[in-house]
Amino acid sequence: ILNVEQSPQSLHVQEGDSTNFTCSFPSSNFYALHWYRWETAKSPEALFVMTLNGDEKKKGRISATLNTKEGYSYLYIKGSQPEDSATYLCAPSNDYKLSFGAGTTVTVRA
Amino acid sequence: DVKVTQSSRYLVKRTGEKVFLECVQDMDHENMFWYRQDPGLGLRLIYFSYDVKMKEKGDIPEGYSVSREKKERFSLILESASTNQTSMYLCASSSPGQGRNTEAFFGQGTRLTVV
Repeated sequence: ILNVEQSPQSLHVQEGDSTNFTCSFPSSNFYALHWYRWETAKSPEALFVMTLNGDEKKKGRISATLNTKEGYSYLYIKGSQPEDSATYLCAPSNDYKLSFGAGTTVTVRA
Repeated sequence: DVKVTQSSRYLVKRTGEKVFLECVQDMDHENMFWYRQDPGLGLRLIYFSYDVKMKEKGDIPEGYSVSREKKERFSLILESASTNQTSMYLCASSSPGQGRNTEAFFGQGTRLTVV
């Protein structure tokens, strides 16, 4: 089992503000890092799958960076909107299995 | 639209019952997974399967078994349900992919309550 830490556990953001949060994971035997968004009453959906050190991916107002040498990834939300309210899960993989963190729950206040 | 479908959204079962949770995917994926999610914890892998009739234990397999007779269907079985198995259960599937870096597709979850 990989030790995956996400912080903070939860955060509240004012609509229009930007925010970011962290995923830490063991840097040894790294293969890929997944980010998922899980909205209430829906299924988790993949945001990014990242493999290369220094990788940076973007999807609309959401972006992520990856540092495999030190074992962390940041997820950024620019100009938060109410529809960004969700739990964001990160999951490194080193074989078939994904090891999920406990998630960061983001609440965007209008 | 790709789909992973779990047979029930909500289930209430009695302690000691044998419980079947069914999952079907229509993407012809080789890999299928069962996770449980509890407050404050991440998704924890119970079992996964990378081919028909193949299965491997995940991180918390005790008290569970699985069946994969057809490629599209992966069943999770609680042999004798206990109250500590009250949880949200999620099924997922993925293709093997190059380097195992393909995204997983999830079902909508089954919230199981054991009383």
